[in-house]
Amino acid sequence: SQTIHQWPATLVQPVGSPLSLECTVEGTSNPNLYWYRQAAGRGLQLLFYSVGIGQISSEVPQNLSASRPQDRQFILSSKKLLLSDSGFYLCAWGLAVSGELFFGEGSRLTVL
Amino acid sequence: GQNIDQPTEMTATEGAIVQINCTYQTSGFNGLFWYQQHAGEAPTFLSYNVLDGLEEKGRFSSFLSRSKGYSYLLLKELQMKDSASYLCAVRDRGNQAGTALIFGKGTTLSVSS
Repeated sequence: SQTIHQWPATLVQPVGSPLSLECTVEGTSNPNLYWYRQAAGRGLQLLFYSVGIGQISSEVPQNLSASRPQDRQFILSSKKLLLSDSGFYLCAWGLAVSGELFFGEGSRLTVL
Repeated sequence: GQNIDQPTEMTATEGAIVQINCTYQTSGFNGLFWYQQHAGEAPTFLSYNVLDGLEEKGRFSSFLSRSKGYSYLLLKELQMKDSASYLCAVRDRGNQAGTALIFGKGTTLSVSS
């Protein structure tokens, strides 16, 4: 069966510090991968998606970036965090036919 | 672009029935999803509609009308554990993100005894 994991689960970072969130998927090949962010009072916002190794598309211009160095690994990064980057970050993989998404456990980021 | 609207909050009592509505606008509709999200946790899949009509799954049912851009999630025999946020999401062929789902802001349901 397929599983998805992301880490760390919780982190508190100062403004201007770097960020790296990692997500891995097991049990499926060449998955479509996604990063979403859920800020307080807002819905899930699509940040990045990837249909293959090295293929990244950005939905929202910001100071975040994503990379996919391996088929089942998806990384979200920032060189310098802003206060507005605080939120609940969710990695997901999706079924190509129906579009159903399966989410990781989430990473709660607080930027102070 | 996409626009998805659903009520912000709803309240209900144990054992009751509640209907959560969702309206959407897309350029190329390709499926509608409902997810449940408990506080502090990731969303979990509830239902999927791509054709008009009602899909029933235990206590939960979901309805879709593509011509009206409308869906609802029906929860029967409410239990305290159903207190959660319910997210409506659509898949849009016209979206450059392809298979990505676009989510509404969610409806927070509070079930009281």
